[in-house]
Amino acid sequence: EPEVTQTPSHQVTQMGQEVILRCVPISNHLYFYWYRQILGQKVEFLVSFYNNEISEKSEIFDDQFSVERPDGSNFTLKIRSTKLEDSAMYFCASSEGATGSSYNEQFFGPGTRLTVL
Amino acid sequence: GNSVTQMEGPVTLSEEAFLTINCTYTATGYPSLFWYVQYPGEGLQLLLKATKADDKGSNKGFEATYRKETTSFHLEKGSVQVSDSAVYFCALSGYNQGGKLIFGQGTELSVKP
Repeated sequence: EPEVTQTPSHQVTQMGQEVILRCVPISNHLYFYWYRQILGQKVEFLVSFYNNEISEKSEIFDDQFSVERPDGSNFTLKIRSTKLEDSAMYFCASSEGATGSSYNEQFFGPGTRLTVL
Repeated sequence: GNSVTQMEGPVTLSEEAFLTINCTYTATGYPSLFWYVQYPGEGLQLLLKATKADDKGSNKGFEATYRKETTSFHLEKGSVQVSDSAVYFCALSGYNQGGKLIFGQGTELSVKP
């Protein structure tokens, strides 16, 4: 069964450092998402990506964040200068489509736990 | 804006007990509603969904009915098992909003033998 994969499973970094979180979505999917979950809090939407551009982003997704699909398979989230409050579990998700009234299931990866020291 | 509120956990039940996890939402238009489950060490998995009022989603013995009049989507299961221990998230996706999911805070369920 196809699945979304994420690497690394756990990333520890120093405050101010850049990190890149990697995701491999399901191969025929066209919509890609990043969410995050700070420990003990709800899962929050960060950004959606379609057709090589950002479709929507939340207020959390400021200039320190960027996303990229550098090749046909990977989808990355970069944090340029990490802050303590960026410590969270980051989930990647993908779906076949997302438009109109029909729903296309989002498949989630297992997450990357980011710890900023 | 759109939001989801679900009952706080943790919820601890004995095996074969009846489960209800409450979920209410605030949204404009006609959102789609979902329950996701997260087993320890794993990602989120879609458990069930409903896309219009009065729809009932069901899977693995779990059910939830989309109630527009009460803006609710409560999760129920008649007889829980130890293997159902997980965190359950209620979520919505707004109509024509590109598919982003808005989650509730999650409810941890622990089922004891």
